[in-house]
Amino acid sequence: AQTVTQSQPEMSVQEAETVTLSCTYDTSESNYYLFWYKQPPSRQMILVIRQEAYKQQNATENRFSVNFQKAAKSFSLKISDSQLGDTAMYFCAFRYNFNKFYFGSGTKLNVKP
Amino acid sequence: DAGVIQSPRHEVTEMGQEVTLRCKPISGHNSLFWYRQTMMRGLELLIYFNNNVPIDDSGMPEDRFSAKMPNASFSTLKIQPSEPRDSAVYFCASSLEGNEKLFFGSGTQLSVL
Repeated sequence: AQTVTQSQPEMSVQEAETVTLSCTYDTSESNYYLFWYKQPPSRQMILVIRQEAYKQQNATENRFSVNFQKAAKSFSLKISDSQLGDTAMYFCAFRYNFNKFYFGSGTKLNVKP
Repeated sequence: DAGVIQSPRHEVTEMGQEVTLRCKPISGHNSLFWYRQTMMRGLELLIYFNNNVPIDDSGMPEDRFSAKMPNASFSTLKIQPSEPRDSAVYFCASSLEGNEKLFFGSGTQLSVL
């Protein structure tokens, strides 16, 4: 069975600083995809970044980057130069075989002015 | 691209009433997912369809819940009879086979009084 664990229910960061959100997962699959989704107060689920497991290079999208450690089954999200608009719930997700997605329980990020 | 369209955005009903939630996936997407989000349980996959056929409904909580996908552009999730514990945000999401990304609708906030 696939599981996704986010051990940080809530985090805070000062505006302009850097914050890292943790995610670990458990799977016996070798080829899969990992994602970070953002859910602001508007409730919309927004894809932030994705990583293919077969790629060693960490994905980067502007201020968002990941640290993908396949052997450790770890997939953390780093947000640089945090902005007030980054305040949201962040969900880590896993998908293999174009099958169903498995989501973590979420981390609530609060960016303080 | 209009994105995944869900209706209604909010639904308030009384216990025992029938509730129908609607979803229009992104045109051309052939996989459709229904999720339920609560504070206690996070994002739960209820059911997903591939090419209009239900593939996995193991997440459907009980017989009061049913989902249909009569064609590639429309799906419904029905609760009959509704109960207060069904109160949650219900998301519909779609994806294209061979593409790992999942696109969410804006959700339906259901309140059962």
